[in-house]
Amino acid sequence: DVKVTQSSRYLVKRTGEKVFLECVQDMDHENMFWYRQDPGLGLRLIYFSYDVKMKEKGDIPEGYSVSREKKERFSLILESASTNQTSMYLCASESPSRAEQFFGPGTRLTVL
Amino acid sequence: RKEVEQDPGPFNVPEGATVAFNCTYSNSASQSFFWYRQDCRKEPKLLMSVYSSGNEDGRFTAQLNRASQYISLLIRDSKLSDSATYLCVVNRRNNDMRFGAGTRLTVKP
Repeated sequence: DVKVTQSSRYLVKRTGEKVFLECVQDMDHENMFWYRQDPGLGLRLIYFSYDVKMKEKGDIPEGYSVSREKKERFSLILESASTNQTSMYLCASESPSRAEQFFGPGTRLTVL
Repeated sequence: RKEVEQDPGPFNVPEGATVAFNCTYSNSASQSFFWYRQDCRKEPKLLMSVYSSGNEDGRFTAQLNRASQYISLLIRDSKLSDSATYLCVVNRRNNDMRFGAGTRLTVKP
Protein backbone atom coordinates (compact mmCIF):
# COMPACT_ATOMS: atom_id res chain seq x y z
CA ASP A 1 0.00 0.00 0.00
CA VAL A 2 1.21 3.47 -0.84
CA LYS A 3 1.78 5.57 2.19
CA VAL A 4 1.89 9.35 2.14
CA THR A 5 2.51 11.03 5.45
CA GLN A 6 2.36 14.68 6.43
CA SER A 7 4.24 16.16 9.34
CA SER A 8 1.27 17.60 11.23
CA ARG A 9 -2.49 17.07 11.27
CA TYR A 10 -3.23 20.43 12.90
CA LEU A 11 -1.12 23.56 13.04
CA VAL A 12 -1.80 27.02 14.45
CA LYS A 13 0.52 29.84 13.46
CA ARG A 14 0.58 33.61 13.74
CA THR A 15 0.54 36.07 10.87
CA GLY A 16 4.05 36.64 9.53
CA GLU A 17 5.50 33.37 10.77
CA LYS A 18 7.37 31.07 8.42
CA VAL A 19 5.62 27.73 8.13
CA PHE A 20 7.01 24.40 6.92
CA LEU A 21 4.74 21.56 5.87
CA GLU A 22 6.45 18.28 5.10
CA CYS A 23 5.26 15.35 3.04
CA VAL A 24 6.90 11.95 2.66
CA GLN A 25 5.92 9.10 0.31
CA ASP A 26 7.27 5.58 0.33
CA MET A 27 6.55 4.42 -3.22
CA ASP A 28 9.44 5.98 -5.12
CA HIS A 29 7.01 8.13 -7.12
CA GLU A 30 8.52 10.91 -9.15
CA ASN A 31 5.50 13.20 -9.16
CA MET A 32 4.38 14.91 -5.98
CA PHE A 33 1.85 17.69 -5.45
CA TRP A 34 0.68 20.23 -2.91
CA TYR A 35 -2.97 21.30 -2.88
CA ARG A 36 -5.11 23.38 -0.64
CA GLN A 37 -8.76 22.54 -0.11
CA ASP A 38 -11.34 25.15 0.81
CA PRO A 39 -15.13 24.74 1.09
CA GLY A 40 -16.88 25.26 -2.22
CA LEU A 41 -13.62 25.58 -4.13
CA GLY A 42 -12.36 22.03 -4.19
CA LEU A 43 -8.69 21.18 -4.37
CA ARG A 44 -6.46 23.78 -5.95
CA LEU A 45 -2.91 23.01 -7.01
CA ILE A 46 -0.22 25.13 -5.39
CA TYR A 47 2.96 23.48 -6.71
CA PHE A 48 4.05 20.16 -8.08
CA SER A 49 7.38 18.45 -8.57
CA TYR A 50 8.26 15.82 -11.16
CA ASP A 51 11.73 15.03 -9.91
CA VAL A 52 14.28 15.94 -7.28
CA LYS A 53 15.01 19.67 -7.34
CA MET A 54 12.39 20.17 -10.07
CA LYS A 55 9.24 22.14 -9.41
CA GLU A 56 6.43 23.76 -11.32
CA LYS A 57 3.91 26.36 -10.22
CA GLY A 58 0.31 25.33 -10.02
CA ASP A 59 -2.71 27.60 -10.09
CA ILE A 60 -2.14 29.45 -6.83
CA PRO A 61 1.60 29.60 -6.03
CA GLU A 62 1.62 33.14 -4.61
CA GLY A 63 2.82 33.22 -1.03
CA TYR A 64 4.21 29.68 -1.20
CA SER A 65 7.46 27.99 -2.14
CA VAL A 66 8.51 24.34 -2.23
CA SER A 67 11.57 22.21 -1.78
CA ARG A 68 12.33 18.73 -3.14
CA GLU A 69 15.82 17.70 -2.05
CA LYS A 70 15.06 13.98 -1.90
CA LYS A 71 12.70 11.96 -4.03
CA GLU A 72 10.52 10.86 -1.14
CA ARG A 73 10.13 14.28 0.48
CA PHE A 74 8.29 17.36 -0.77
CA SER A 75 8.03 20.39 1.48
CA LEU A 76 5.69 23.37 1.25
CA ILE A 77 6.87 26.64 2.75
CA LEU A 78 4.78 29.64 3.64
CA GLU A 79 7.36 32.41 3.78
CA SER A 80 5.18 34.79 5.79
CA ALA A 81 1.88 33.26 6.79
CA SER A 82 -1.28 35.29 6.30
CA THR A 83 -4.83 34.71 7.49
CA ASN A 84 -6.02 33.92 3.96
CA GLN A 85 -3.70 30.91 4.00
CA THR A 86 -5.84 29.27 6.65
CA SER A 87 -6.87 26.07 4.90
CA MET A 88 -6.54 22.30 4.63
CA TYR A 89 -3.28 21.40 2.88
CA LEU A 90 -3.06 18.07 1.10
CA CYS A 91 0.03 16.46 -0.31
CA ALA A 92 -0.22 13.81 -3.03
CA SER A 93 2.06 11.39 -4.77
CA GLU A 94 1.21 10.07 -8.22
CA SER A 95 1.45 6.60 -9.63
CA PRO A 96 2.76 6.96 -13.21
CA SER A 97 1.07 3.83 -14.47
CA ARG A 98 -2.47 4.77 -13.52
CA ALA A 99 -2.22 8.53 -13.05
CA GLU A 100 -3.78 7.85 -9.66
CA GLN A 101 -2.92 10.28 -6.90
CA PHE A 102 -2.43 9.09 -3.34
CA PHE A 103 -3.06 11.69 -0.69
CA GLY A 104 -1.66 12.27 2.73
CA PRO A 105 -4.06 12.81 5.65
CA GLY A 106 -3.86 16.58 5.32
CA THR A 107 -2.70 19.41 7.55
CA ARG A 108 -5.32 21.82 8.80
CA LEU A 109 -3.48 25.11 9.15
CA THR A 110 -4.96 28.05 11.02
CA VAL A 111 -3.21 31.40 10.77
CA LEU A 112 -4.23 33.87 13.46
CA ARG B 1 -16.70 29.51 -14.69
CA LYS B 2 -15.03 26.59 -12.91
CA GLU B 3 -13.26 24.09 -15.09
CA VAL B 4 -14.93 21.14 -13.36
CA GLU B 5 -18.44 21.69 -12.05
CA GLN B 6 -20.46 19.49 -9.75
CA ASP B 7 -23.75 19.92 -7.92
CA PRO B 8 -22.60 20.31 -4.30
CA GLY B 9 -25.72 18.60 -2.94
CA PRO B 10 -26.30 17.45 -0.34
CA PHE B 11 -28.05 14.39 -1.67
CA ASN B 12 -29.96 12.70 1.13
CA VAL B 13 -31.19 9.25 0.13
CA PRO B 14 -32.54 6.22 1.99
CA GLU B 15 -30.63 2.97 2.14
CA GLY B 16 -31.17 0.89 -0.96
CA ALA B 17 -31.83 3.86 -3.21
CA THR B 18 -30.13 4.51 -6.52
CA VAL B 19 -28.43 7.88 -6.81
CA ALA B 20 -26.63 9.55 -9.69
CA PHE B 21 -24.18 12.43 -9.79
CA ASN B 22 -23.12 14.39 -12.83
CA CYS B 23 -20.05 16.46 -13.46
CA THR B 24 -19.25 18.74 -16.38
CA TYR B 25 -15.85 19.86 -17.56
CA SER B 26 -14.91 22.71 -19.84
CA ASN B 27 -11.63 21.65 -21.41
CA SER B 28 -12.36 19.48 -24.42
CA ALA B 29 -8.73 18.35 -24.56
CA SER B 30 -9.02 16.58 -21.21
CA GLN B 31 -7.52 13.14 -21.38
CA SER B 32 -8.59 11.06 -18.42
CA PHE B 33 -11.30 11.12 -15.82
CA PHE B 34 -11.81 9.82 -12.31
CA TRP B 35 -14.13 9.75 -9.37
CA TYR B 36 -12.54 10.14 -5.95
CA ARG B 37 -14.27 9.65 -2.63
CA GLN B 38 -13.56 11.80 0.42
CA ASP B 39 -14.90 10.90 3.85
CA CYS B 40 -15.44 13.62 6.41
CA ARG B 41 -12.09 14.96 7.67
CA LYS B 42 -10.18 12.43 5.59
CA GLU B 43 -8.11 12.56 2.43
CA PRO B 44 -9.53 11.84 -1.05
CA LYS B 45 -9.11 8.32 -2.35
CA LEU B 46 -9.58 6.98 -5.85
CA LEU B 47 -12.98 5.36 -6.28
CA MET B 48 -12.76 4.53 -9.97
CA SER B 49 -11.41 5.66 -13.29
CA VAL B 50 -13.90 6.59 -15.99
CA TYR B 51 -13.47 5.11 -19.45
CA SER B 52 -15.09 6.12 -22.71
CA SER B 53 -16.89 2.80 -22.90
CA GLY B 54 -18.24 3.19 -19.37
CA ASN B 55 -17.21 0.96 -16.52
CA GLU B 56 -18.75 -0.78 -13.59
CA ASP B 57 -17.35 -1.80 -10.24
CA GLY B 58 -19.91 -3.62 -8.15
CA ARG B 59 -22.67 -1.16 -7.30
CA PHE B 60 -20.87 1.73 -8.94
CA THR B 61 -21.12 2.65 -12.63
CA ALA B 62 -19.21 5.49 -14.24
CA GLN B 63 -19.95 6.95 -17.66
CA LEU B 64 -18.15 9.48 -19.84
CA ASN B 65 -19.77 11.55 -22.57
CA ARG B 66 -17.01 13.37 -24.42
CA ALA B 67 -19.33 15.08 -26.87
CA SER B 68 -21.28 16.74 -24.07
CA GLN B 69 -18.27 16.92 -21.75
CA TYR B 70 -19.81 15.30 -18.75
CA ILE B 71 -19.09 12.40 -16.45
CA SER B 72 -21.57 10.55 -14.32
CA LEU B 73 -21.47 8.23 -11.33
CA LEU B 74 -24.34 5.93 -10.49
CA ILE B 75 -24.58 4.19 -7.14
CA ARG B 76 -27.10 1.37 -6.85
CA ASP B 77 -28.44 -0.11 -3.61
CA SER B 78 -26.93 2.64 -1.49
CA LYS B 79 -25.35 1.67 1.82
CA LEU B 80 -24.85 3.80 4.91
CA SER B 81 -21.11 3.48 4.28
CA ASP B 82 -21.49 5.25 0.92
CA SER B 83 -22.03 8.53 2.78
CA ALA B 84 -19.14 10.74 1.68
CA THR B 85 -18.23 13.53 -0.70
CA TYR B 86 -17.60 12.42 -4.29
CA LEU B 87 -15.05 14.39 -6.26
CA CYS B 88 -15.02 14.50 -10.02
CA VAL B 89 -11.46 14.73 -11.36
CA VAL B 90 -10.34 15.58 -14.86
CA ASN B 91 -6.77 15.13 -16.04
CA ARG B 92 -6.01 17.74 -18.69
CA ARG B 93 -2.54 16.35 -19.32
CA ASN B 94 0.26 14.87 -17.28
CA ASN B 95 0.60 16.48 -13.88
CA ASP B 96 -2.50 18.60 -14.40
CA MET B 97 -5.49 17.18 -12.58
CA ARG B 98 -8.50 19.40 -11.97
CA PHE B 99 -10.81 18.61 -9.09
CA GLY B 100 -14.46 19.46 -8.75
CA ALA B 101 -15.61 20.87 -5.42
CA GLY B 102 -17.45 17.63 -4.68
CA THR B 103 -20.98 16.33 -4.23
CA ARG B 104 -21.99 15.37 -0.73
CA LEU B 105 -24.03 12.21 -0.26
CA THR B 106 -25.75 11.14 2.93
CA VAL B 107 -27.41 7.73 3.01
CA LYS B 108 -29.98 7.43 5.79
CA PRO B 109 -31.31 4.27 7.43
